[in-house]
Amino acid sequence: NAGVTQTPKFRVLKTGQSMTLLCAQDMNHEYMYWYRQDPGMGLRLIHYSVGEGTTAKGEVPDGYNVSRLKKQNFLLGLESAAPSQTSVYFCASSRNLAGLHNEQFFGPGTRLTVL
Amino acid sequence: GESVGLHLPTLSVQEGDNSIINCAYSNSASDYFIWYKQESGKGPQFIIDIRSNMDKRQGQRVTVLLNKTVKHLSLQIAATQPGDSAVYFCAENINTGTASKLTFGTGTRLQVTL
Repeated sequence: NAGVTQTPKFRVLKTGQSMTLLCAQDMNHEYMYWYRQDPGMGLRLIHYSVGEGTTAKGEVPDGYNVSRLKKQNFLLGLESAAPSQTSVYFCASSRNLAGLHNEQFFGPGTRLTVL
Repeated sequence: GESVGLHLPTLSVQEGDNSIINCAYSNSASDYFIWYKQESGKGPQFIIDIRSNMDKRQGQRVTVLLNKTVKHLSLQIAATQPGDSAVYFCAENINTGTASKLTFGTGTRLQVTL
């Protein structure tokens, strides 16, 4: 049981390049989330998904796209990377149903640098 | 203490002492609160949670206290150990009707000195 895994762990991009971050969970969770973490700030929600085939915008969605084609995977895409997207990205998942415990399990993070 | 939007505060405690980490939350409609621990280079890890209809919950060496009157949450760690050194985040859960969302604080860094 690996929990939540993320690939890659590190990546350096040039401005304008594109890339996809992959998140996978083996806990059969319905909900999945993408956050970014910047120095001095709390985790900020980019996009989330409440089930296979569904996605929704979070607090800071601009410049990112997501897809949830399979229940266990949640992909985060950057179509044209900008230096402002330099950050550490965390994926999380939860089995939550609205109104019940919403413990989120986090992956180890992806450190992205955009030059 | 910690509050959403402030600079990351640091709490330094001696090994064996008790630690108290504070958090001010913003939304009186929040129904569930979680404390996470994040070690350097790792993702946040669940420590303990509490529902809004409770004012105290205890775990192994940790206790969370909730004061809804002043919208304040605290995490108490008993007999702090070097392995407790990390950044601690509180998070408040808000139900939107179709989903539950967590809003995270900025965190407090706990440094354990020998």
